[in-house]
Amino acid sequence: QVQLQESGPGLVKPSETLSLTCTVSGGSISSYYWSWIRQPPGKGLEWIGYIYYSGITYYNPSLKSRVTMSLDTSKQQFSLNLRSVTAADTAVYYCARLDSSGLLDYWGQGTLVTVSP
Amino acid sequence: DIQMTQSPSSLSASVGDRVTITCRASQDIKNYLAWFQHQPGKAPKSLIYLASNLQSGVPSKFSGSGSGTDFTLTIYSLQPEDFATYFCQQYNSYPLTFGGGTKVEF
Repeated sequence: QVQLQESGPGLVKPSETLSLTCTVSGGSISSYYWSWIRQPPGKGLEWIGYIYYSGITYYNPSLKSRVTMSLDTSKQQFSLNLRSVTAADTAVYYCARLDSSGLLDYWGQGTLVTVSP
Repeated sequence: DIQMTQSPSSLSASVGDRVTITCRASQDIKNYLAWFQHQPGKAPKSLIYLASNLQSGVPSKFSGSGSGTDFTLTIYSLQPEDFATYFCQQYNSYPLTFGGGTKVEF
């Protein structure tokens, strides 16, 4: 059973960079796409983008200018960097596996990141 | 972007009830629709893919239907462990988008 676990700071200051890591266990990080999704308090889910195990990325145009994703196959981890954050970036951030059709088939349980001075 | 409109946003139900949740896409997504169950503090769980296919290990009391723009998730004989939030996801095109969620409450 594939399992994903998000980790990173729960508090980030405005204008700084939000950095999160997702650790994958129970399966190889190779041959799959890996995604980040977020959900602000009281709002719906927003897909942030994906990274393929080869390093190819695709970002949601709504966040593209501020997002970078990376991947470390040796550690079975992939990461999210979101630059120049504001209070609007406060959300629960989820990582997930994305199959080749676009289905998000395995998710982490999410981590709350608050943007505040 | 494809907008996904899910209804209702919440519903009250009792053990043994049948509940129906709908998801409408702003344009044709063929059958590229998935349904998820999300319980507080847990990872969202994939229930149904390609609109009507049950994920392995998911009980047959969950049923999905629809194609094009209109989709339905039906839960038969609701049990205590089924009280959760359910949401849909379209994967016909990027960016991936989600319905707003339906909270099934006792």
